[in-house]
Amino acid sequence: DTAVSQTPKYLVTQMGNDKSIKCEQNLGHDTMYWYKQDSKKFLKIMFSYNNKELIINETVPNRFSPKSPDKAHLNLHINSLELGDSAVYFCASSQQAGGPYEQYFGPGTRLTVT
Amino acid sequence: GNSVTQMEGPVTLSEEAFLTINCTYTATGYPSLFWYVQYPGEGLQLLLKATKADDKGSNKGFEATYRKETTSFHLEKGSVQVSDSAVYFCALYAGGTSYGKLTFGQGTILTVHP
Repeated sequence: DTAVSQTPKYLVTQMGNDKSIKCEQNLGHDTMYWYKQDSKKFLKIMFSYNNKELIINETVPNRFSPKSPDKAHLNLHINSLELGDSAVYFCASSQQAGGPYEQYFGPGTRLTVT
Repeated sequence: GNSVTQMEGPVTLSEEAFLTINCTYTATGYPSLFWYVQYPGEGLQLLLKATKADDKGSNKGFEATYRKETTSFHLEKGSVQVSDSAVYFCALYAGGTSYGKLTFGQGTILTVHP
């Protein structure tokens, strides 16, 4: 059983389009995250939700909008895609937010904007 | 602010060589420290962690000791294998109102040759 799954694995699209990435975890965790990994492997947190409530909102363009319909799902919608959005996006989850809990990462979604 | 600095990569070793990847951090208070590993084409997974000064984390032959006096958490392995080829990330959790937020180093690419 996959603990944290993401769809799609690859996403190729043109500038200006709108796209979504979906994430699901079956670990019963309360907290979920979105990270962006650039071409140099640098990893930066974008958002975090705890029990469907947004708790971390880093400096991210407002073209990026996360949505958590329930605590097992966290989706990322991106409007008006730009070349600089090309990256690998990782979803992760942890038992809770308030402690040094292990984060479980999904396999990533490689987004290429042309 | 909080930050993590890792040694520059890539690191290339022969099988059975000794591995050290340096990691130093800047944080207020008493952070928890982690090493995550990313195998090719996969998401990150926790390798080991330490939550207080002088703690040693260990897993799969890797170990790291939380040194508060030198603000370091260097990763070591006595004898690397080809299967250890991956990207290694040092990370910290600052606690308080961090809400689970991990601050990552830039990652170190390790390649082990037979």
